[in-house]
Amino acid sequence: SQTIHQWPATLVQPVGSPLSLECTVEGTSNPNLYWYRQAAGRGLQLLFYSVGIGQISSEVPQNLSASRPQDRQFILSSKKLLLSDSGFYLCAWSVQMGGPETQYFGPGTRLLVL
Amino acid sequence: QQPVQSPQAVILREGEDAVINCSSSKALYSVHWYRQKHGEAPVFLMILLKGGEQKGHEKISASFNEKKQQSSLYLTASQLSYSGTYFCGTETGNDYKLSFGAGTTVTVRA
Repeated sequence: SQTIHQWPATLVQPVGSPLSLECTVEGTSNPNLYWYRQAAGRGLQLLFYSVGIGQISSEVPQNLSASRPQDRQFILSSKKLLLSDSGFYLCAWSVQMGGPETQYFGPGTRLLVL
Repeated sequence: QQPVQSPQAVILREGEDAVINCSSSKALYSVHWYRQKHGEAPVFLMILLKGGEQKGHEKISASFNEKKQQSSLYLTASQLSYSGTYFCGTETGNDYKLSFGAGTTVTVRA
């Protein structure tokens, strides 16, 4: 069966510090991968998605970037964090089937920027 | 374009029914429903394709009206475990991307 891991689970970072969040998927090959951010009490905002190694599409202009160095690894980064970057970051995966795909979410990383 | 969910919140007693609506200003390719418990990740409930009605989870079902560009989620004979925030995610093209509504918070009381 497929599983998705995210780490760290919780992170407290000062403004201006760098960020690296990691997501890995097990049990499937060539998944579509997604990064979402959820502000407190709000909905899910798609940040990036990837259909393959090195292929990244950005949905929202911001100081975040994403990379996919391996088939089942997705990394979210920032060179300098802003207060507004605080939130719940969720990684998701789906199987490429050529039609509507169900996205499955990881446990998430709760980021607090102070 | 973010879909609009209504109501924003609903409080139920065990055994009562509720309907959550999700409307889009664009033609929909598919609608996905998730439930999120406080502090946890969203959990997939069901996916609806054009014109389909599907019962996929406990006593929760959903419909998709392609012409009206909307979907409804039906919570029947609610249980305490139904509490959480329900999100609809809409896909307007076959492009893997979902836009999520702001969520509907459901509280089921004994």
